[in-house]
Amino acid sequence: QVQLVQSGAEVKKPGSSVRVSCKASGGNFKSYPISWVRQAPGQGLEWMAGIIPIFGTPHYAQKFQGRLTIAADESAGTAYMEMSSLTSEDTATYYCVRESSPWTGSHEPFDVWGQGTMVIVSS
Amino acid sequence: DVVMTQSPDSLAVSLGERATINCKSSQSVLYSSKNRNYLAWYQQKPGQPPKLLISWASTREAGVPDRFSGSGSGTDFTLTISNLQAEDVAVYYCQQYYYFPPVTFGQGTKLEIK
Repeated sequence: QVQLVQSGAEVKKPGSSVRVSCKASGGNFKSYPISWVRQAPGQGLEWMAGIIPIFGTPHYAQKFQGRLTIAADESAGTAYMEMSSLTSEDTATYYCVRESSPWTGSHEPFDVWGQGTMVIVSS
Repeated sequence: DVVMTQSPDSLAVSLGERATINCKSSQSVLYSSKNRNYLAWYQQKPGQPPKLLISWASTREAGVPDRFSGSGSGTDFTLTISNLQAEDVAVYYCQQYYYFPPVTFGQGTKLEIK
């Protein structure tokens, strides 16, 4: 069964950038869509961006356009998220998630979640 | 973006009773030609990532107890938890994955024991 293992917690200053990695182990990576979802403390789930590693084209939620970059390295079985111009409102747990089936032309629910990476933005 | 609205925001139910959570989408998530609703339910316990419970509006994931059931079509959906157990205390989210980008989640419903 595939697992998504994310990099560790980060503490960042306002205005800086953060990079989070997500390594897939124990299963196919490249044909499954991967997304990034975040959750601010005590709040709900917010989809940020998604990518299908074999295609490589990312899709972003409009609110993150311009300061969020996601990518996937098929050979390493790893996805990455980098966000710039951080503010306190970016303090959240960031999850990488995998859809439940290989890409067939339509999206599917998220059946595998990483453990989450806590990012704290504070001066 | 498709807006997912859950009701109620929170509810308290006695052990052994039934809990019902509703989810309404601002646009239909039914793919008519496949007769499939692109609607999922997740359960999140404190300190844990969400767990997929139900996909395609009514298909339970492997290992999910049969006291969890999903129903509905188009824009209106329901998650029902029968015979509530203590371990069902959690926040529940609905999600549509028909429209992309973005996929969107409901705001969550907090379920507690009365």
